[in-house]
Amino acid sequence: QVQLVESGGGVVQPGMSLRLSCAASGFIFSSYGMHWVRQAPGKGLEWVAVIWYDGDSQYYADAVKGRFTISRDNSKNTLYLQMNSLRAEDTAVYYCARRDDYDSRVDIWGQGTMVSVSS
Amino acid sequence: DIQMTQSPSNLSASVGDRVTITCRASQSISWWLAWYQQKPGKAPKLLIYKASSLESGVPSRFSGSGSGTEFTLTISSLQPDDVATYYCQHYYSYFLIFGGGTKVEIK
Repeated sequence: QVQLVESGGGVVQPGMSLRLSCAASGFIFSSYGMHWVRQAPGKGLEWVAVIWYDGDSQYYADAVKGRFTISRDNSKNTLYLQMNSLRAEDTAVYYCARRDDYDSRVDIWGQGTMVSVSS
Repeated sequence: DIQMTQSPSNLSASVGDRVTITCRASQSISWWLAWYQQKPGKAPKLLIYKASSLESGVPSRFSGSGSGTEFTLTISSLQPDDVATYYCQHYYSYFLIFGGGTKVEIK
């Protein structure tokens, strides 16, 4: 079945780096754009970044621009989020989600991976 | 920048009640609006897209309407399984903008 599985979360100190992965299965990964969306504890959903199906274009929320990098390896059906210079306010559950490039809707979400930034 | 405002923030209703949640955009977004249901500890689940299109597999008691700047999500007969937080989302081009959420509980 169609599935997204995130990994790579953990506890890190401010200023450190972390790389999240999102493994896709059950669909043609290379045909879909992909988003990262995060949710701080007890808070709402916040868009982080998006990458086009072919990896040619990436866009970021202002809060992470210059610190986070979204990328993908279509040969491995995997999406990544490289997070550098982490701050306490980056603490959240990070979800990867599939973008249907036909009508732009975001239809499939992973279960999320928790990132905690604390000294 | 476009902002999405949901109301109410919390809602308590009885089983079988008709429930309506409103989402307002700070400028016209045509029909580029989706609704999600999120249960505690779980990922969001797509219910409605393009303001009124029901996602496959979603019960027909959920419906969406609106265009431009004002949208509604309606649950025609609230069920215990509908206890969750509901989010509206503007989507188009490359970015996503979410409303603040509406927490729905059973009275």
